[in-house]
Amino acid sequence: EAEVAQSPRYKITEKSQAVAFWCDPISGHATLYWYRQILGQGPELLVQFQDESVVDDSQLPKDRFSAERLKGVDSTLKIQPAELGDSAMYLCASSLGGVQAETQYFGPGTRLLVL
Amino acid sequence: GNSVTQMEGPVTLSEEAFLTINCTYTATGYPSLFWYVQYPGEGLQLLLKATKADDKGSNKGFEATYRKETTSFHLEKGSVQVSDSAVYFCAPASPGGYQKVTFGTGTKLQVIP
Repeated sequence: EAEVAQSPRYKITEKSQAVAFWCDPISGHATLYWYRQILGQGPELLVQFQDESVVDDSQLPKDRFSAERLKGVDSTLKIQPAELGDSAMYLCASSLGGVQAETQYFGPGTRLLVL
Repeated sequence: GNSVTQMEGPVTLSEEAFLTINCTYTATGYPSLFWYVQYPGEGLQLLLKATKADDKGSNKGFEATYRKETTSFHLEKGSVQVSDSAVYFCAPASPGGYQKVTFGTGTKLQVIP
């Protein structure tokens, strides 16, 4: 069964350093989502791609976060510089086309700890 | 945008007990409604969904009915098992355009033998 891949699974960094997370969606899925999940809360959408285009980044802190999906396949989320409050689980999900009532398939996540 | 209020946890039940996890939402129009589940050590996965008023989503013995009049989508199961121990997320999706899902805070369920 096809799965969404993410790496690394865990990342420890010091504040002010740069970090990057990678996601490989299920083959053929046009829509890719990056979520942030703080412990004890639900996932919060950071950015949504349709193919290589961003369709929603309204909650992305653009002063320090960036995301790209250059060829419309895999994606990278970057934080520079990292802050203590960025410690969270970063989830990637994908779906076929972003249309209504569509199932999102989630990866295992990257747990980030900023010291 | 959408918002969702979900029953706080943790919820602890004995095996074979009846489960209800309440979920209410605010949204414009007619959102699609989802329940996602996160088992220990695993990623989120879809449990069930409903796309219009009075629809009932069901899977693995769980059910939820889309109640437009009360803007609710409560999750129920008649007899829980230890293997149902997980965190459950209610999630309405905005209608129109690209789907945007708003997740609730999650309800942790622990089922004891």
